[in-house]
Amino acid sequence: QKEVEQNSGPLSVPEGAIASLNCTYSDRGSQSFFWYRQYSGKSPELIMSIYSNGDKEDGRFTAQLNKASQYVSLLIRDSQPSDSATYLCAVLNSGYALNFGKGTSLLVTP
Amino acid sequence: AAGVIQSPRHLIKEKRETATLKCYPIPRHDTVYWYQQGPGQDPQFLISFYEKMQSDKGSIPDRFSAQQFSDYHSELNMSSLELGDSALYFCASSLRLGDQETQYFGPGTRLLVL
Repeated sequence: QKEVEQNSGPLSVPEGAIASLNCTYSDRGSQSFFWYRQYSGKSPELIMSIYSNGDKEDGRFTAQLNKASQYVSLLIRDSQPSDSATYLCAVLNSGYALNFGKGTSLLVTP
Repeated sequence: AAGVIQSPRHLIKEKRETATLKCYPIPRHDTVYWYQQGPGQDPQFLISFYEKMQSDKGSIPDRFSAQQFSDYHSELNMSSLELGDSALYFCASSLRLGDQETQYFGPGTRLLVL
């Protein structure tokens, strides 16, 4: 079973701080990685995709990928209460379906 | 921008009944995926279609079947419903680009089996 592991949290950060979310994966051949945000009862919303080692920045979000360590992370700068949600790490499998981690619950406190 | 459309948004069924969920992908997307998300769980892949052919199969029960039609919409047919089938069912669509492919999720259908 190809696995994607995340700390379930909850991760609590104060408003304005940096939130750091981490994910590891077991399939060394994986090439494509995604972060989705999911509010309770709603559908997953794509935040970031990353395919190459290093950092990728989009606004307040930075995704980091280290294929040698099989590790992908998401940094959220200047966290806002509206960022409070579950963040799902997903890895594209060989059939192009997504394998999800169990998600990290983020709580940004005012 | 147009998004993935799913219908119905909510569905209540009795045990042993059947249900049909529909998915309309983003225009020009050629691939559709179905995922099931139980309470407190992560989404689990069920089945996918590319250019109207089954592309991959995940943890889809034999009681479920699906297809993609000529207009690229997809339907998930669920028979002999069980209490454990109560879940959110998401459809996602994409343009098949291999490893660079990005999936966009619809709003989901919440199925409750009584």
